[in-house]
Amino acid sequence: KQEVTQIPAALSVPEGENLVLNCSFTDSAIYNLQWFRQDPGKGLTSLLLIQSSQREQTSGRLNASLDKSSGRSTLYIAASQPGDSATYLCAVRPRGSQGNLIFGKGTKLSVKP
Amino acid sequence: EPEVTQTPSHQVTQMGQEVILRCVPISNHLYFYWYRQILGQKVEFLVSFYNNEISEKSEIFDDQFSVERPDGSNFTLKIRSTKLEDSAMYFCASGPFRGEGLETQYFGPGTRLLVL
Repeated sequence: KQEVTQIPAALSVPEGENLVLNCSFTDSAIYNLQWFRQDPGKGLTSLLLIQSSQREQTSGRLNASLDKSSGRSTLYIAASQPGDSATYLCAVRPRGSQGNLIFGKGTKLSVKP
Repeated sequence: EPEVTQTPSHQVTQMGQEVILRCVPISNHLYFYWYRQILGQKVEFLVSFYNNEISEKSEIFDDQFSVERPDGSNFTLKIRSTKLEDSAMYFCASGPFRGEGLETQYFGPGTRLLVL
C-alpha cells in the first residue's frame, strides 16, 4: 500500500533563507507527484506537478525534484518570504489508479520577517 | 481564472441527519473527485467520477456516501446518515483530462462539516 511521508512536520526560517522540504513514498509505481500549498482553513493550490518520467519542475522561486527509484521528492524554495508561510503537501498518483491522489501529512512552514 | 467552488463553506448537522455538499467544477473539466481531511490528519481520497459514473472509490466511501452530477454544472456528495466521525473538511476537485501523469487536479476551498 502506498504511503507518503513528509519531513519535517514543521519548519521555521527567517525571511530570505533558502529551504528544502522533503517527501518520500513507498511505491515507485506512480504516474506523477504533485506539490500543493494549503493555507489555514482553505483549499489546496497546486504548485508543481512532476510526471514520473521527469526529474524536476520549476516555477518562479520553486523547484521540485523527483527521484522515483528511491521514492523521494524535494521542494526547494529560494529566498523565502513571509507570504510563503503555509502547509505544503506532497501527493502521488499511483500507477493504475483512476485519479486517486495519496497525500502526505504536510510540512507547516513559517517564514519570519 | 476559473475556480472550483463549493457550498456551503460550513455546515453543522446532528448525527443521523443527511447532508448534501455541493461543488461546481471548472466548466470544461471532465473528471471530478471528492476528498476529505479530518482535523490534523492527511487529505484522504473518497471517490472519482467520470462520464456519470464512479470510476474509483476508497474504503471510506461506503454505502452511506453517494455522488451525483444532477446537471451540467453541479457535482454533489451526499452522506445519508451522518456519524460523529464524518466531521471533516470535504474538498471537491476537478481535472480536464486524465492522461498518463499529465493531469493536475484543481481543488475547491472546501466545506467544513461538523456532526454533533
